[in-house]
Amino acid sequence: GNSVTQMEGPVTLSEEAFLTINCTYTATGYPSLFWYVQYPGEGLQLLLKATKADDKGSNKGFEATYRKETTSFHLEKGSVQVSDSAVYFCALSDPGGTSYGKLTFGQGTILTVHP
Amino acid sequence: NAGVMQNPRHLVRRRGQEARLRCSPMKGHSHVYWYRQLPEEGLKFMVYLQKENIIDESGMPKERFSAEFPKEGPSILRIQQVVRGDSAAYFCASSPTTAGTGNEKLFFGSGTQLSVL
Repeated sequence: GNSVTQMEGPVTLSEEAFLTINCTYTATGYPSLFWYVQYPGEGLQLLLKATKADDKGSNKGFEATYRKETTSFHLEKGSVQVSDSAVYFCALSDPGGTSYGKLTFGQGTILTVHP
Repeated sequence: NAGVMQNPRHLVRRRGQEARLRCSPMKGHSHVYWYRQLPEEGLKFMVYLQKENIIDESGMPKERFSAEFPKEGPSILRIQQVVRGDSAAYFCASSPTTAGTGNEKLFFGSGTQLSVL
């Protein structure tokens, strides 16, 4: 079956540091890949997505590139801010499914950014 | 336009009681998904519903769990005879359409934290 593996957290960084959160996946076919972010007390929000190999998703300074050869979708940001502190989830959509909303999630990575 | 509304935010039940979790999708959304997040784990898909229909319940436990999305009113996730292992955060998400256009987007609620004593 499909699966998503994220680097274990928590991740603690100082403001303006470089961020990488690793994500690898297992799926048959060609899934779409996503990063969701959950701020304290809120629901998940879509951060960025990529729908085919070599696509780069980007939003709010975050980027991730769909690498089919390494089955990876690592999240990066060049300079983090305190306001980026949240839980980050990597996810994929079922490539053989009929529902876009049926996602497989990684376990989440807690990011804390200190001033 | 209000977002996806879930209530209650926190629900405490004793073993053997029933839990009812409610989800009102965003206005204009006719597709609802329920996910469960156990401690230290990612979200796991449970069920996908459209108005008055269960489309995919492949992630639902076979016993004690049921879901509905009536023509009028919110979607309900119902857990009968709760056990301690049901303690988790339950998230609802809605979307206006299914796969095909490439512009689909899921909108999540803030979740219901169920605690079973």
